[in-house]
Amino acid sequence: DVKVTQSSRYLVKRTGEKVFLECVQDMDHENMFWYRQDPGLGLRLIYFSYDVKMKEKGDIPEGYSVSREKKERFSLILESASTNQTSMYLCASSLFGRYNEKLFFGSGTQLSVL
Amino acid sequence: ELKVEQNPLFLSMQEGKNYTIYCNYSTTSDRLYWYRQDPGKSLESLFVLLSNGAVKQEGRLMASLDTKARLSTLHITAAVHDLSATYFCAVDINFGNEKLTFGTGTRLTIIP
Repeated sequence: DVKVTQSSRYLVKRTGEKVFLECVQDMDHENMFWYRQDPGLGLRLIYFSYDVKMKEKGDIPEGYSVSREKKERFSLILESASTNQTSMYLCASSLFGRYNEKLFFGSGTQLSVL
Repeated sequence: ELKVEQNPLFLSMQEGKNYTIYCNYSTTSDRLYWYRQDPGKSLESLFVLLSNGAVKQEGRLMASLDTKARLSTLHITAAVHDLSATYFCAVDINFGNEKLTFGTGTRLTIIP
């Protein structure tokens, strides 16, 4: 079975802390994505990556950065967490150039910043 | 900027009834996706629609795409409780990179 694994299901952090959210996929996918999900706003794309060491900004990159040192791992970093970054974070992956393929999502990390 | 709008945002319907969820988008695209999310769970792919007039069906759900109207519909036939979930449509306007823009979601509750 294909899998996208997010390291934490729930996370509580304090304002100003540096936060790492980890995502690993076992499908040898080139594309990886980070979305955040908020009630009434749907899913919004933060960053995505087509290849190792490659990253592109999504629609709401402010306050976030990412790292992709290995093909299977895509990390989302909150340099200095703020309360407005309290949200559900979803990682996803897909094959590159195969637009008829779906995204595979992880189970999500519910982050609370106090 | 691409905008994807779904309506309704919330829908309560009785078992056995039919209903349709609408997804409108603002920029030309011929690739649209439907996902389902159960409470507390992640998203699961339902349909991939890749051309004008595309229609896909799975069980009591049927999705269609009209690229000229920039509209997709998700039709529910004879609803059952198991279909209670939040449904998202998503649009891809960048060929090959699957950078999807999602709608706000429709929360569907099926009442016995």
